[in-house]
Amino acid sequence: NAGVTQTPKFQVLKTGQSMTLQCAQDMNHEYMSWYRQDPGMGLRLIHYSVGAGITDQGEVPNGYNVSRSTTEDFPLRLLSAAPSQTSVYFCASSYSGQGYYGYTFGSGTRLTVV
Amino acid sequence: QQPVQSPQAVILREGEDAVINCSSSKALYSVHWYRQKHGEAPVFLMILLKGGEQMRHEKISASFNEKKQQSSLYLTASQLSYSGTYFCGTENPGTYKYIFGTGTRLKVLA
Repeated sequence: NAGVTQTPKFQVLKTGQSMTLQCAQDMNHEYMSWYRQDPGMGLRLIHYSVGAGITDQGEVPNGYNVSRSTTEDFPLRLLSAAPSQTSVYFCASSYSGQGYYGYTFGSGTRLTVV
Repeated sequence: QQPVQSPQAVILREGEDAVINCSSSKALYSVHWYRQKHGEAPVFLMILLKGGEQMRHEKISASFNEKKQQSSLYLTASQLSYSGTYFCGTENPGTYKYIFGTGTRLKVLA
């Protein structure tokens, strides 16, 4: 049981490049979310999904796209990387919503945009 | 709007107690607590449900006051391993957005 797997663990991008951060979970969780965490800061919600085919924006969605074609996978796409997107990105999943279950986190992707 | 945690940071000696508060401007139906060690991902500690019992994880316990829209985390006889940043998490009522509090950095000294 791998839990939540994020790849890559580290990435350096040049301004303007695009890339996809991968997230996969094997726990049959319906809810999945992407967060970014800047140094010394909290976790800010980028996008989330409550099931395959259903996604919605979080608090800081600009510059990011998501899709959810399967229950297991929830990739995050950076359209045109900017230095302000330098951060640690966490993917997290939960069995369901309404606050009955906590979230399990992946190990994170450390992204640097130069 | 994210829940506000207090204090922002606290330093303890081993064996001392601490309380971390999480307050929301919106009604809370449940609160979760997480601990994040430096360089690692947050780890789920416990859940507090509306009308539920006080929960415990090792020597860490938590309570949930629905009327005050606040949850408190109690760390008793702190250990070095308790060091990290603690976050409360909750689902925004009426949405499926799961958001985190501002965080509290806890450092336990020997």
